[in-house]
Order: sequence, then C-alpha cells, then structure tokens
Amino acid sequence: KNQVEQSPQSLIILEGKNCTLQCNYTVSPFSNLRWYKQDTGRGPVSLTIMTFSENTKSNGRYTATLDADTKQSSLHITASQLSDSASYICVVSANTGFQKLVFGTGTRLLVSP
Amino acid sequence: NAGVTQTPKFQVLKTGQSMTLQCAQDMNHNSMYWYRQDPGMGLRLIYYSASEGTTDKGEVPNGYNVSRLNKREFSLRLESAAPSQTSVYFCASIWDSGEQYFGPGTRLTVT
Repeated sequence: KNQVEQSPQSLIILEGKNCTLQCNYTVSPFSNLRWYKQDTGRGPVSLTIMTFSENTKSNGRYTATLDADTKQSSLHITASQLSDSASYICVVSANTGFQKLVFGTGTRLLVSP
Repeated sequence: NAGVTQTPKFQVLKTGQSMTLQCAQDMNHNSMYWYRQDPGMGLRLIYYSASEGTTDKGEVPNGYNVSRLNKREFSLRLESAAPSQTSVYFCASIWDSGEQYFGPGTRLTVT
C-alpha cells in the first residue's frame, strides 16, 4: 500500500533554532518527492520537488534531502523564524503515467519567540 | 495572475442540500484536482481532470460529481450533502513540470 509517514506529528522550537522533519514512504513506482508548507487556513505551497537522482535541494532556509534507497526524506529548517510556524507536508508522486500524489499527514511546527 | 481561486470560502449546509464548489485557474494548466483535508489525515483526492474534457475518480469520489467546464474551470458538486462531507476542500492545478498550485480552500460544514 502506498503510504507516506511523517514525524514528529508536532514540534515546538525557539526562534532562531534549527529543526529537522522526517518523512518515510513506501510509494512505488517512485516519481518525485515534494515538501509543502501549509499556513493555517491556507492551501499548501510547494517548497521543493526532488526526483530520484537528487539527494538534496534548497529553497532559502529550507533544505530537503532524499535517500531513495532507504525511502526517507528530511526537511531541515535553519535559523527558524516566527513565520515558519505552519504544517509541513511530505508528498510522494507515483509514476503511473499520471501524477498520483500520496500525502503525509504533516508535521505541525510552532516557532516560539 | 491570480493563480488558483475557489469560491465560496465558507459554507454551511443542512443534510440533503446540494451545492457546487467553484475553482478556476489562470495559469493555462492542463490538469486540475479536487482534494479534501480532514483532521489527522493527509489530503485525499476526490476527482481529477487530466485535461479539458476528461475527468476521473480519485480515492474518495462517493457523494461527489465534477465538471471540467473548460481549461480554466473545474467544479465539484455535492448532490445531497451528508455530515461526513464536512471538511476543507482544496482545488489544485499542476504544471507540466510537476509543480502543483493549490487554491485557498473552501471550509464546508454539513449539519
């Protein structure tokens, strides 16, 4: 069964600190892996998309890594800001001839002043 | 360039009532999607349209119908609303590169 699991479910960190969010997946055949940021009351916004051949991808203070062998990904946030408070969703796309996306349940991050 | 827009933002229905959620995108994307998001669950695909004139069922299509009116618009209809359809509904469209864009969502409550 295609699944995406994220950990932790929630996290509280102090402003300025770094954090790492985890994603494990069992989606097959793999096409790409995405990280989205979802602010409360808004739609998800894409942070990164990584294909099988990419190990790491950055978007400002966000750095995603992908280990396709172990089927794991992480999202590292550097020097957190209050505006980073949001849910972060890991999404894996299956290569079925159509973009079939499998969504994780997300990690809710709260950055505290 | 407004991206993906959805109307309404909020809606309260009584059991058995019907309504249509509207979605439009101005990015000339071929593929459009409808998802629902419930607490503690990932987004689940209700229906999608790979291109103008085609629609297909997703993971949770029961109780819903869709129309791809043209390339820009993709509507979701609830013919007879049920409390189990209380959720936040997101429309999305996707670029050929795979970049997916979401609308702001419609929060629906069925009493």
